[in-house]
Amino acid sequence: ETGVTQSPTHLIKTRGQQVTLRCSSQSGHNTVSWYQQALGQGPQFIFQYYREEENGRGNFPPRFSGLQFPNYSSELNVNALELDDSALYLCASSPQLIRSYNEQFFGPGTRLTVL
Amino acid sequence: AQTVTQSQPEMSVQEAETVTLSCTYDTSENNYYLFWYKQPPSRQMILVIRQEAYKQQNATENRFSVNFQKAAKSFSLKISDSQLGDTAMYFCAFMKRGAGSYQLTFGKGTKLSVIP
Repeated sequence: ETGVTQSPTHLIKTRGQQVTLRCSSQSGHNTVSWYQQALGQGPQFIFQYYREEENGRGNFPPRFSGLQFPNYSSELNVNALELDDSALYLCASSPQLIRSYNEQFFGPGTRLTVL
Repeated sequence: AQTVTQSQPEMSVQEAETVTLSCTYDTSENNYYLFWYKQPPSRQMILVIRQEAYKQQNATENRFSVNFQKAAKSFSLKISDSQLGDTAMYFCAFMKRGAGSYQLTFGKGTKLSVIP
């Protein structure tokens, strides 16, 4: 069984640029959540996708957007990058979880540095 | 909104000894889950243990156990017989139970070092 994978591992961008991060969910999982983990902090919830629809969003501006594809993989897009966007971005997948709990399985993350 | 507080930024423990990590949370919800996650230097977040708020019995997973005090909104993690592989960041997390998105709210973490 393949776990959650993310690409790229590391990324360096400059302020104002746009970035796309990718996540492949674990086999059989149709829900993907994205988290931002700034240095020395706990992860913060960005948004969640369930069956290609956004299913909840944290306190992040609209320049953070996402997609989920029919194969349940997902992308996180960030426009107009700011220095404070430098962080580890974590993707987590889980089986169908509407109205029931399912464990979230995390990927290794993408380290984004904005200069 | 929920908040999770971990008051111990760093802790250390001798190998084979026992250590307890603290966590408090604030919520107006009555039904929720609490978690402890481990994040080793390799970065991949791993679930250590889970507690359902409506269950009075404290969860146990091998060397890991929790002390869940719902009225006090306290959720501590005890690691027995500490091993070198337990060295990691430990995050306490909260999840509201019910319809809607199942998002985790994390504390800032406790860095645990196991000393040989």
